[in-house]
Amino acid sequence: SQKIEQNSEALNIQEGKTATLTCNYTNYSPAYLQWYRQDPGRGPVFLLLIRENEKEKRKERLKVTFDTTLKQSLFHITASQPADSATYLCALEADNNDMRFGAGTRLTVKP
Amino acid sequence: DTAVSQTPKYLVTQMGNDKSIKCEQNLGHDTMYWYKQDSKKFLKIMFSYNNKELIINETVPNRFSPKSPDKAHLNLHINSLELGDSAVYFCASSHRGAGETQYFGPGTRLLVL
Repeated sequence: SQKIEQNSEALNIQEGKTATLTCNYTNYSPAYLQWYRQDPGRGPVFLLLIRENEKEKRKERLKVTFDTTLKQSLFHITASQPADSATYLCALEADNNDMRFGAGTRLTVKP
Repeated sequence: DTAVSQTPKYLVTQMGNDKSIKCEQNLGHDTMYWYKQDSKKFLKIMFSYNNKELIINETVPNRFSPKSPDKAHLNLHINSLELGDSAVYFCASSHRGAGETQYFGPGTRLLVL
């Protein structure tokens, strides 16, 4: 069966360090992979999208990689800040508009 | 301006009742979704509508019935509520097509007692 796994339920890091979150998938061939941020009591908010033929995408302090051989995406936040504390969800899309989410990783950045 | 709005924000009800959650988007999108997020925070797709037509219908009890009166609205009606229905329900919308960003509403927190 299809599985999307985000390696850590929770990740704690010190302010200024780089946070690295992992999204692994099995029995899936996603054409697109997206990362969303979710704050407590709110809906997910889109951050970045990467296509299957792209290796890396950047946006300000965010970087996403996509390795279709390893079936893995890495999400990096450089120079992390306490305001980056949130739950980060990866989402895979194989067919049009049919997007499936991982369970999320709760990131806490300590000052 | 609110992009995707849901009402009510909180819903507390007794087992066996019937309730509805409303969703509206003003983004001009033609695809709308309902997701359920359980206590473990896992976000699971329930339904997807495109131009008022059902295109995704996951294995959801038929007590759940979505209704799309027009492209900008997708309501969720739940019959005979059960304890296990307690969760946060999110509405989302996007343009049609692969690789489109989904915009989520603020969620409706449903508690069935």
